Amino acid sequence: NAGVTQTPKFRILKIGQSMTLQCAQDMNHNYMYWYRQDPGMGLKLIYYSVGAGITDKGEVPNGYNVSRSTTEDFPLRLELPAPSQTSVYFCASSYALGYNEQFFGPGTRLTVL
Amino acid sequence: RKEVEQDPGPFNVPEGATVAFNCTYSNSASQSFFWYRQDCRKEPKLLMSVYSSGNEDGRFTAQLNRASQYISLLIRDSKLSDSATYLCVVNHPLLDGTSYGKLTFGQGTILTVHP
Repeated sequence: NAGVTQTPKFRILKIGQSMTLQCAQDMNHNYMYWYRQDPGMGLKLIYYSVGAGITDKGEVPNGYNVSRSTTEDFPLRLELPAPSQTSVYFCASSYALGYNEQFFGPGTRLTVL
Repeated sequence: RKEVEQDPGPFNVPEGATVAFNCTYSNSASQSFFWYRQDCRKEPKLLMSVYSSGNEDGRFTAQLNRASQYISLLIRDSKLSDSATYLCVVNHPLLDGTSYGKLTFGQGTILTVHP
């Protein structure tokens, strides 16, 4: 099993240049999450999903959109990136909501100039 | 008050030392507690869950004090490979109280073990 995979690993964007961060998992987990991590800070939840077709906002959803058309994939879209969205983005999945271990992807390092 | 607050660190200890990290959480209704480990420029990985009775995994011991809303992690006989950031993680109810849906991460404590 590959676990949780994310693409790309690194990306530099210009302000307003939209892009989608890809996330996929092969563990058949219903629950998936997107976090951002700023230097010296803990992870902040952006969006999460409890299953295909169901998504909900986390702590810091502004400037992001998600979709969940399949169990495996949970892409994160930045429509109008701003420098404040420069961060490391982690996708995660889990078997259950909250109580169980979350498995993280390797992260995407995003810079918005 | 932050929802999850950790010792600021960083901790620099010699090999073989014992080191302890502390963490406090603000929501008394929190149900699940974890320690994650994050290596430099890598993703977080679960180190251990924290149970009410306390639990041990080799050189690592985790304790929970619900009355004081306090979690700890003790590492004995530190190894060079223990150098990492340790994240205290708490599961707490959503704002509407309907479910225990989300994990809140502390900012992490950096540990460096030197020869």
